[in-house]
Amino acid sequence: SQWGEENLQALSIQEGEDVTMNCSYKTYTTVVHWYRQDSGRGPALIILIRSNEREKRSGRLRATLDTSSQSSSLSITAAQCEDTAVYFCATDCSGGSNYKLTFGKGTLLTVTP
Amino acid sequence: ETAVFQTPNYHVTQVGNEVSFNCKQTLGHDTMYWYKQDSKKLLKIMFSYNNKQLIVNETVPRRFSPQSSDKAHLNLRIKSVEPEDSAVYLCASSCYWGSAETLYFGSGTRLTVL
Repeated sequence: SQWGEENLQALSIQEGEDVTMNCSYKTYTTVVHWYRQDSGRGPALIILIRSNEREKRSGRLRATLDTSSQSSSLSITAAQCEDTAVYFCATDCSGGSNYKLTFGKGTLLTVTP
Repeated sequence: ETAVFQTPNYHVTQVGNEVSFNCKQTLGHDTMYWYKQDSKKLLKIMFSYNNKQLIVNETVPRRFSPQSSDKAHLNLRIKSVEPEDSAVYLCASSCYWGSAETLYFGSGTRLTVL
C-alpha cells in the first residue's frame, strides 16, 4: 500500500514476471491517477481510472478500483527492464473548488534482466 | 516531448539566500502547480494557479511565494532558504482545474541548501 508508509516501497522482479502495486486512500475520490517517474524526470500519467469504472487496461497495464474498500491497484504484465521506475497513485481529496490531487508514497519498481 | 520547461535544473546555495525557479508551459493549459518532492520521493502540492489566480495555497512557509505573469508562466521564489528546503521542485500544468485532468510535469529543479 502506498498510504501510511514512512518510506518509499521497493519491489524487485525479473523480466517477464507480472507485478501488482496497491494503493489505498482515505477519502472519497472521483478518480485515481497512476503516474510513473523515471530517474531525473517528472512523473507522467500512465493510466487513469474513474470511480464508475472497476477496471481499465492500457497495453500491458491494468488498473482496478474498488470504491467500497477505497483501494486501487496497478498491474504490469510481462514486465520489461524499461518498466523500472517509481510508480505513484494519486487521488483527489474532495471535489468542488477545494480539489487537489494528492500523491501516495510511491513504489520503486526495479526490473532486472 | 517536453512541454513543461523548468530552469535551472540544479541549484546549490547557502542558508539565508534567496532563490527563484522558473516554469513555462507551452500546452496552452489554464492551470499550473508547484510540487515539492523530498528525498523519499514524497510529492506534496505547494501551490495551484488557475489562469493566474491562486486557488490552492497549501500550508507552506511564508518564505515561499509563487509568481505568475500569465497563464503560461509560474515561478517560485524562496526568500531565505533553510536546510529543509533541499528537495526537487516540480512544476506541472493541466488543461483545466479538475480532478480528472492529467498533470504534465517538468523535469524539476533540484535545490541543495548548504
